[in-house]
Amino acid sequence: QKEVEQNSGPLSVPEGAIASLNCTYSDRGSQSFFWYRQYSGKSPELIMFIYSNGDKEDGRFTAQLNKASQYVSLLIRDSQPSDSATYLCASLDNYGQNFVFGPGTRLSVLP
Amino acid sequence: DAGVIQSPRHEVTEMGQEVTLRCKPISGHDYLFWYRQTMMRGLELLIYFNNNVPIDDSGMPEDRFSAKMPNASFSTLKIQPSEPRDSAVYFCASGQSGEQYFGPGTRLTVT
Repeated sequence: QKEVEQNSGPLSVPEGAIASLNCTYSDRGSQSFFWYRQYSGKSPELIMFIYSNGDKEDGRFTAQLNKASQYVSLLIRDSQPSDSATYLCASLDNYGQNFVFGPGTRLSVLP
Repeated sequence: DAGVIQSPRHEVTEMGQEVTLRCKPISGHDYLFWYRQTMMRGLELLIYFNNNVPIDDSGMPEDRFSAKMPNASFSTLKIQPSEPRDSAVYFCASGQSGEQYFGPGTRLTVT
């Protein structure tokens, strides 16, 4: 069973702090990783993806991938109350045929 | 582009009735996904299509569930007969492998 695991949270951080969201995966064949944000009552939306080991930055968001440790993270700098949502990690194998979502981590940014 | 369109947005039906959910993907996207989301089980992939062909339906819970994609611009998910445990939000998403764009979802309530 190919799994993606996340701490369900809630993760609470004060406004302006760095929020660190973590994800581990079991399938070593996973090659691509995606972070989706889902506001309560809304649909998931893609915010970042990463294919290569290391860091990828996009504005206040940084995705980090360590394939040796099977670990993916998402850092949100200068967290805002509007970042409060559930963040879903997902993996995709290199055949593009096994797409697995984690259970999500609920983030709460406190003003 | 209007994004992924789903209908109806809300559906309330009685146990035993047939339910049909509809989805219009974003033009040009090769993949179409159907998901179900509940508090208990999170986001579950039910089935996905590539170029209108079903690739993986291992997530379809029972024979009561069926999905079709007769052309590149339309897909349906049918539940017959429906049961109270089918109550959930059903999302359709389209995209290119892991980069998926979700519709607003259909909230299904089976009484």
